[in-house]
Amino acid sequence: AQTVTQSQPEMSVQEAETVTLSCTYDTSENNYYLFWYKQPPSRQMILVIRQEAYKQQNATENRFSVNFQKAAKSFSLKISDSQLGDTAMYFCAFIPPNTNAGKSTFGDGTTLTVKP
Amino acid sequence: NAGVTQTPKFRILKIGQSMTLQCAQDMNHNYMYWYRQDPGMGLKLIYYSVGAGITDKGEVPNGYNVSRSTTEDFPLRLELAAPSQTSVYFCASSQLSYNEQFFGPGTRLTVL
Repeated sequence: AQTVTQSQPEMSVQEAETVTLSCTYDTSENNYYLFWYKQPPSRQMILVIRQEAYKQQNATENRFSVNFQKAAKSFSLKISDSQLGDTAMYFCAFIPPNTNAGKSTFGDGTTLTVKP
Repeated sequence: NAGVTQTPKFRILKIGQSMTLQCAQDMNHNYMYWYRQDPGMGLKLIYYSVGAGITDKGEVPNGYNVSRSTTEDFPLRLELAAPSQTSVYFCASSQLSYNEQFFGPGTRLTVL
């Protein structure tokens, strides 16, 4: 079974600064998918960014980017120019390949507070 | 499109009661999922479905049952509710397993 570890339960950052959230995972699979989701106080889960393990290039979505280190099984999320609206809980998720399709695993989350 | 809808939004159950949490999606997605989220924690997969008539257990299936008779609906049944089942329950759907999952607004369940 896969495990996903988010070692930072809580983090804070000043508005306009940059923050990095860490995520490590354990798997014996070679092809898989990794996601970061955001859960603001409204409780609605929102996709932030997605990475395919077979792609070496790190995914980027506007102010959000990842540092994907496959050998180290690390998938960190960098938020640049932090905004107050980025305040939320962030979850890292591992999606296995077709052999176990559907058995997604989420980390326990990092609560990020952006301070004005 | 309504996306993923869940009913009810809130529910209080007494120990030993049963109930069904409803979930529906209008995106014609193949995959559907049920998660529970305990306070301050991540999502734990209860059951998932890869299509109508096909379901499988996730990480924490004990005390729950599911069925998927149509593409749109994926109800979660709680039998003999216990305080340990107090949680927020999320339903989600995706077209394929590696696509973005779209989540419903959640159901907050309290068992007293």
